[in-house]
Amino acid sequence: GENVEQHPSTLSVQEGDSAVIKCTYSDSASNYFPWYKQELGKGPQLIIDIRSNVGEKKDQRIAVTLNKTAKHFSLHITETQPEDSAVYFCAASPRTSSASKIIFGSGTRLSIRP
Amino acid sequence: DAGITQSPRHKVTETGTPVTLRCHQTENHRYMYWYRQDPGHGLRLIHYSYGVKDTDKGEVSDGYSVSRSKTEDFLLTLESATSSQTSVYFCAISERGQGDGNQPQHFGDGTRLSIL
Repeated sequence: GENVEQHPSTLSVQEGDSAVIKCTYSDSASNYFPWYKQELGKGPQLIIDIRSNVGEKKDQRIAVTLNKTAKHFSLHITETQPEDSAVYFCAASPRTSSASKIIFGSGTRLSIRP
Repeated sequence: DAGITQSPRHKVTETGTPVTLRCHQTENHRYMYWYRQDPGHGLRLIHYSYGVKDTDKGEVSDGYSVSRSKTEDFLLTLESATSSQTSVYFCAISERGQGDGNQPQHFGDGTRLSIL
């Protein structure tokens, strides 16, 4: 089955700098890659997603890149702000059946230093 | 925010007791999911439902059962709770299954369950 690895587990960056979180997946059939942000005491919130027919997607300060050949994808946050501090999860979903199998990475705790 | 309500939000119970968690949605989405979240493991799928009375197992289903008698409600039951089931439980919904168009999942705010 699918396995998603996420690095780093913790990340601390200066406010205004960029943050990058990287994930790899094992199942070449995966074709959907969402990213979630989780704040303390809340459920994960979808912040951006990318499908396998696209190499990059941007939404304001957030961008995601996908390399299907290498089976890895990354989240880039530019001009970081204090409100970006949270736990971020990558995920991968194989399109092998009608069953819903989204597999999550283990998460990255991002801290923004003032 | 997606209309998802989980209840209770917090619960403490003893080993061996039955526990039922409820997820209620107002979005009329077909698919509903139960996950557990533990440190170092991200979120792991317990069970999911693809329609009323239609459910299937996820990767960590042992010790859990689910029921969906109507579109808006999805119940997770621990028949005889164990300390290893202490976790935060999240419900999610989506319009279609990810194998059929990969629609995103939207999550509730979770239930923190402690089993002593």
